[in-house]
Amino acid sequence: DSGVTQTPKHLITATGQRVTLRCSPRSGDLSVYWYQQSLDQGLQFLIHYYNGEERAKGNILERFSAQQFPDLHSELNLSSLELGDSALYFCASSVGNSQETQYFGPGTRLLVL
Amino acid sequence: EDQVTQSPEALRLQEGESSSLNCSYTVSGLRGLFWYRQDPGKGPEFLFTLYSAGEEKEKERLKATLTKKESFLHITAPKPEDSATYLCAVQRRGSNYKLTFGKGTLLTVNP
Repeated sequence: DSGVTQTPKHLITATGQRVTLRCSPRSGDLSVYWYQQSLDQGLQFLIHYYNGEERAKGNILERFSAQQFPDLHSELNLSSLELGDSALYFCASSVGNSQETQYFGPGTRLLVL
Repeated sequence: EDQVTQSPEALRLQEGESSSLNCSYTVSGLRGLFWYRQDPGKGPEFLFTLYSAGEEKEKERLKATLTKKESFLHITAPKPEDSATYLCAVQRRGSNYKLTFGKGTLLTVNP
């Protein structure tokens, strides 16, 4: 158990809908990272937050957004969902804002029908 | 753009049969190279971080090594519980701390 929690574990929804994925980092960690894992692309970086501020963006679609709250939990919002958004979504956390190891949560499996 | 290539894509071993997994990388300024283990439907589990060429780290039956172009994960006398996908990732120097992952090597160890 990494100490990173994610909810829900599974999510099934329809095209065009909007969902919110939630992540709580390890106690004491200030950084949260979001990654998407699909069969063909592997693990892809989406976005990084540090202590409530956005620090870096990867190939995150404009339909996707995220935020980190004062209690340091983070939410990833996915809207206007398409079939291709079906994937595993992981968050990871690290202590600070540098090269520390990122510890991954158990993931949310999203299925868009 | 950073690139990570892992080989082989899949590896099947008999219990006790040692082998190595390869991770070749291209990155302008390596901050760190990370190895993770991922079981089906689970999140990646951290194994090792290597920072400079020549560095080695060990944990039980696993040993990771690093050169300027690649990293190896050596598995000595593997057991069935070592079966998993092993992921390699690089982190570039700079202000973006994202990890760039390879597609992984699926290891199966038969009893």
